[in-house]
Amino acid sequence: AQKITQTQPGMFVQEKEAVTLDCTYDTSDQSYGLFWYKQPSSGEMIFLIYQGSYDEQNATEGRYSLNFQKARKSANLVISASQLGDSAMYFCAMRGLDSSASKIIFGSGTRLSIRP
Amino acid sequence: DGGITQSPKYLFRKEGQNVTLSCEQNLNHDAMYWYRQDPGQGLRLIYYSQIVNDFQKGDIAEGYSVSREKKESFPLTVTSAQKNPTAFYLCASSSGASQQFFGPGTRLTVL
Repeated sequence: AQKITQTQPGMFVQEKEAVTLDCTYDTSDQSYGLFWYKQPSSGEMIFLIYQGSYDEQNATEGRYSLNFQKARKSANLVISASQLGDSAMYFCAMRGLDSSASKIIFGSGTRLSIRP
Repeated sequence: DGGITQSPKYLFRKEGQNVTLSCEQNLNHDAMYWYRQDPGQGLRLIYYSQIVNDFQKGDIAEGYSVSREKKESFPLTVTSAQKNPTAFYLCASSSGASQQFFGPGTRLTVL
């Protein structure tokens, strides 16, 4: 069975500080992909970053980076120099790639609030 | 512009009525998905389809039905058998192992 765990229901961070959102996962697949999505109050889901299980380097996309520690089964999202517009729900997700029939599963999310 | 559209944005239903939520994509994606999100919660998978004329139940399929007659369209019907349908519904699509692209969502309220 596959599982995603996000242990931080909510976080408050001062503007311009860096923030790390935790995500741990469990899967029996040898190959898998990890995703992070942002959901503002409007409800839309915005894709942020992707990490493949066989990627040797941590993924980066602008101010977002993924701290991938395969042995610990963690895929934490790091946001550098946080901005007020970063306030949103953040979801970690995973798809097993050993089977073409696999689906993406989501964690319960972390609500990030940026203080001015 | 390529993307996913969902309609309506807001939907109100009387108890005992069936309602259908629309989801259309022009991304040429094979796979499409329906999720339900309750306030402050994560996404739960209702149904998904990896190819036309085929679909599978997700984790919370009871009280819902879908069809996939065309590659571009994956409508979701919320039936009267769904006891607590008030929620935010998100449709998504994907190609291969890539990330899912999401529509803007439909907020369903039962009156």
